[in-house]
Amino acid sequence: DVKVTQSSRYLVKRTGEKVFLECVQDMDHENMFWYRQDPGLGLRLIYFSYDVKMKEKGDIPEGYSVSREKKERFSLILESASTNQTSMYLCATCTGAMSYEQYFGPGTRLTVT
Amino acid sequence: RKEVEQDPGPFNVPEGATVAFNCTYSNSASQSFFWYRQDCRKEPKLLMSVYSSGNEDGRFTAQLNRASQYISLLIRDSKLSDSATYLCVMTTDSWGKFQFGAGTQVVVTP
Repeated sequence: DVKVTQSSRYLVKRTGEKVFLECVQDMDHENMFWYRQDPGLGLRLIYFSYDVKMKEKGDIPEGYSVSREKKERFSLILESASTNQTSMYLCATCTGAMSYEQYFGPGTRLTVT
Repeated sequence: RKEVEQDPGPFNVPEGATVAFNCTYSNSASQSFFWYRQDCRKEPKLLMSVYSSGNEDGRFTAQLNRASQYISLLIRDSKLSDSATYLCVMTTDSWGKFQFGAGTQVVVTP
């Protein structure tokens, strides 16, 4: 059974703070994704990674960066948090180069005040 | 215009009834299609893929209409446990760029 964990379920940060969201998977999946989910907008892809140290921008990468130093770990970084980054952040993984089933973590609800 | 559009609902369905809803997409290069289910305050989980010829998985039937650019999901004999938000998801030829709809909420009532 695939397990995807995220470092926090709830997080409250102040404007301008640097924020780290971490995602860890235990199934040796090559591909990892970061999304944010907002009411009425659905999930939007921020970044994804198909291998260690590799990253690709998604649809809304502005204000975010990512790090993948180890296969099992994919970090999302908000260099200087802003209130419009208040959202639910979901990490996902999938196996193989062309697989399409994504396994999601439980999500981190980030509030920036 | 959003690339993937869904009626947000809610669709209120009596237990045992049939409910169907669509998801329209604007990118004709979309190639692979899926329905995910998301329970309240939970993460999305894959419900089923959508094949060109249409496919069934138990009480769930998915259809793809490429000409009109929509996919559909039909739930027969609705159960209380079917209450959830159903997300349509698709990819284009650019792997990794999954596009999600905002979801259709289904509420099955006793």
